[in-house]
Amino acid sequence: QSALTQPASVSGSPGQSITISCTGTSSDVGSSNLVSWYQHHPGKAPKLMIYEVTKRPSGVSNRFSGSKSGNTASLTISGLQAEDEADYYCCSYASISALIFGGGTKVTVL
Amino acid sequence: QVQLVESGGGVVQPGRSLRLTCAVSGFTSNTYAMHWVRQAPGKGLEWVAVIWHDGTEQHYADSVKGRFTISRDNSSDALYLQMNSLRAEDTAIYYCARDKSVWVFGVPYFYYGLDVWGQGTTVTVSS
Repeated sequence: QSALTQPASVSGSPGQSITISCTGTSSDVGSSNLVSWYQHHPGKAPKLMIYEVTKRPSGVSNRFSGSKSGNTASLTISGLQAEDEADYYCCSYASISALIFGGGTKVTVL
Repeated sequence: QVQLVESGGGVVQPGRSLRLTCAVSGFTSNTYAMHWVRQAPGKGLEWVAVIWHDGTEQHYADSVKGRFTISRDNSSDALYLQMNSLRAEDTAIYYCARDKSVWVFGVPYFYYGLDVWGQGTTVTVSS
């Protein structure tokens, strides 16, 4: 169960768009639509931002969007805002009834 | 409101045991699978275990298989994690989380996402 691969950090200026990639294998991301994304501010509970690759829970801004191609899922944040600065984790169902998280990406708003 | 509150963390010596509890409120716990997720100091999130809505199935990360046991008592709205043979690498903040379970014609489907999280409880394994 190796962690999904995410870039360690991504940065952008306010108003810009950024994309975080999440690369897995054909045993997890590639074979599942059960990919989710979480926002985590240190010291707080993680927050579900995207589920089933593209769906947004009620209350999550439409500036957050998800997609997937092959073994790589992506989270795009458009109109970047200061409060978007946080750690972001992807997560995928794996074929062994488990969940696998990515290593996490620190988003910095310049 | 929907809430998860973890308790039971603390400092424990290597090789000893600890039991974490997650108190559930604000929703009908017996219709949701539940998970434990942890975060070691300076590291990312790591999935630990899942238990189905009725407790009939449990699955574990390889790193804890054979040492940790997830269980639940729906009559008490509680989730547990029994941790045995603790190691230094088990040091982490432990979160319980609700699975965004989906029911279709009376059949549950899990792993759709973790939509409710607790604030976490800290476990430190050190001599």
